[in-house]
Amino acid sequence: QKEVEQDPGPLSVPEGAIVSLNCTYSNSAFQYFMWYRQYSRKGPELLMYTYSSGNKEDGRFTAQVDKSSKYISLFIRDSQPSDSATYLCAASGGFKTIFGAGTRLFVKA
Amino acid sequence: SQTIHQWPATLVQPVGSPLSLECTVEGTSNPNLYWYRQAAGRGLQLLFYSVGIGQISSEVPQNLSASRPQDRQFILSSKKLLLSDSGFYLCAWKRSGITEAFFGQGTRLTVV
Repeated sequence: QKEVEQDPGPLSVPEGAIVSLNCTYSNSAFQYFMWYRQYSRKGPELLMYTYSSGNKEDGRFTAQVDKSSKYISLFIRDSQPSDSATYLCAASGGFKTIFGAGTRLFVKA
Repeated sequence: SQTIHQWPATLVQPVGSPLSLECTVEGTSNPNLYWYRQAAGRGLQLLFYSVGIGQISSEVPQNLSASRPQDRQFILSSKKLLLSDSGFYLCAWKRSGITEAFFGQGTRLTVV
């Protein structure tokens, strides 16, 4: 079992839709959770991070962590074509950060 | 502010040739440094990480090696490349402790 599982998609939605991206993890020691956005042929850029359980909101993006079920979510409201990218979830409990496989998102105009 | 530089952006190398990819970080001291490889359509595979000068931890036995000759410099090397070494190589840094990682722009390596 991978430490961080993520459906690779692709996920295709119309412009303006609410997008829900999800990951599960297996290691209870993970305390720090992140979402990265990666455009084609570029390095991942940090989108949001959350420490332990709870919600965090930043503009159209909301990150949610439920440690009881080991579930990580990212919600994108009013999705835009510029949101089309690969989204990677990640979890860390110390030196190492473990990444999910990434979900490819396409937002159609 | 902190920045991370990784070069070259693209590299085409013949099988059996050596490899040297370099990564440097500016604006911070004693960062944790990481090399990841990303195969097409797959997640990030951690190859090496370093918590200090000369300290290297290897995650996956392979044809590659890493070195950290200076505090903010991390080098990925190979003596003889294999076809299977092709991929997108990413360098990353983070502060010690449980924090987020920041990535360079990556090197796309094609071994022919």
